[in-house]
Amino acid sequence: GAGVSQSPSNKVTEKGKDVELRCDPISGHTALYWYRQSLGQGLEFLIYFQGNSAPDKSGLPSDRFSAERTGGSVSTLTIQRTQQEDSAVYLCASSLYRGSNEKLFFGSGTQLSVL
Amino acid sequence: GESVGLHLPTLSVQEGDNSIINCAYSNSASDYFIWYKQESGKGPQFIIDIRSNMDKRQGQRVTVLLNKTVKHLSLQIAATQPGDSAVYFCAEKGGYNKLIFGAGTRLAVHP
Repeated sequence: GAGVSQSPSNKVTEKGKDVELRCDPISGHTALYWYRQSLGQGLEFLIYFQGNSAPDKSGLPSDRFSAERTGGSVSTLTIQRTQQEDSAVYLCASSLYRGSNEKLFFGSGTQLSVL
Repeated sequence: GESVGLHLPTLSVQEGDNSIINCAYSNSASDYFIWYKQESGKGPQFIIDIRSNMDKRQGQRVTVLLNKTVKHLSLQIAATQPGDSAVYFCAEKGGYNKLIFGAGTRLAVHP
């Protein structure tokens, strides 16, 4: 596709349920990021995939959060036993990784609401 | 996780004026910096970038200035327009490390 695609665009769930958020990066982009953005706030780093390297999971807030990237392309962010404080916009970004000059392209995000 | 979650400061300017948005970065080893613009309901959009071997770079109506001595980055927007109203984020990166975003500044342009 022309850009980073995220689905669903909106997700409403009940506290305690599991959710899966999907990201389709730009074709050929080797780096993929997940960020979380709470209402009116900045971008909180969650996880970073780069090629076949082990992902940088240092930003995941708890063990309820996990992410995988299959075949170096599509990524899924899973939140288990959702809590109300998980409500936020989850943004995915990809880049054609070339050393330090890493220009990220963002999707429009998934708005997650936990009731 | 690494967080930039703060209440966003707001810069209010009159249409046609120049805007200057400032950012303090944290890592003296960072060698690449980017400014992003985020409009309501959308993901951040790339504006301009700069390497640490430069102290100034110009784009269309935008200029980024880098002061490595005090770890300060600024974005200047010339002749600010209503369409420039958005939240602006700076981001830093060092080598093979991940891109880390600053807290963000809301720009409000008044007619």
